Amino acid sequence: DADVTQTPRNRITKTGKRIMLECSQTKGHDRMYWYRQDPGLGLRLIYYSFDVKDINKGEISDGYSVSRQAQAKFSLSLESAIPNQTALYFCASSGTDNTGELFFGEGSRLTVL
Amino acid sequence: SQQGEEDPQALSIQEGENATMNCSYKTSINNLQWYRQNSGRGLVHLILIRSNEREKHSGRLRVTLDTSKKSSSLLITASRAADTASYFCATLFSGNTPLVFGKGTRLSVIA
Repeated sequence: DADVTQTPRNRITKTGKRIMLECSQTKGHDRMYWYRQDPGLGLRLIYYSFDVKDINKGEISDGYSVSRQAQAKFSLSLESAIPNQTALYFCASSGTDNTGELFFGEGSRLTVL
Repeated sequence: SQQGEEDPQALSIQEGENATMNCSYKTSINNLQWYRQNSGRGLVHLILIRSNEREKHSGRLRVTLDTSKKSSSLLITASRAADTASYFCATLFSGNTPLVFGKGTRLSVIA
């Protein structure tokens, strides 16, 4: 089984719908992240959490919210999806060894029509 | 704004040749990491080099870091078709900040 699991892997939705992407990890990591990938733009950080009670905005948090339900679970929500949120979304986790090395899920491809 | 910038954006080589990708960044860092992404898949960590290191090797990978120029290079020797992927550099400012990724280099290795 994958260490970092994202669900759903693919989702097509319509403008204005609420969408939740879920992430869980079995690595026992305290730190979890949500990144967005668009062609030619690399990965951009949406939100990150260094422990259950810690939530921080990243570079592109507008239009998104997150919930850290437990050490192992970190979900990303789009309250009212818009077409320019069509992208590949990655969840990742890291330990507290201060290297910052990330372990990624396989991604959730979201299409907003 | 993104910290790292990879160069070139795309690279196409023949199998057996060496592939070199470069990364430049803007501020002082704790470490620099390289990741690989097969098409549409999750990123996989390749190698990490700390700010007080100048060169590291891992198998066919060689990474250099020049902190005076704020740049790093990733060399893949004797490339194989299976090396075809996108490669990203990522920089860590400090232990309590998240990694910041560049835009990546798409490597195509032609058999």
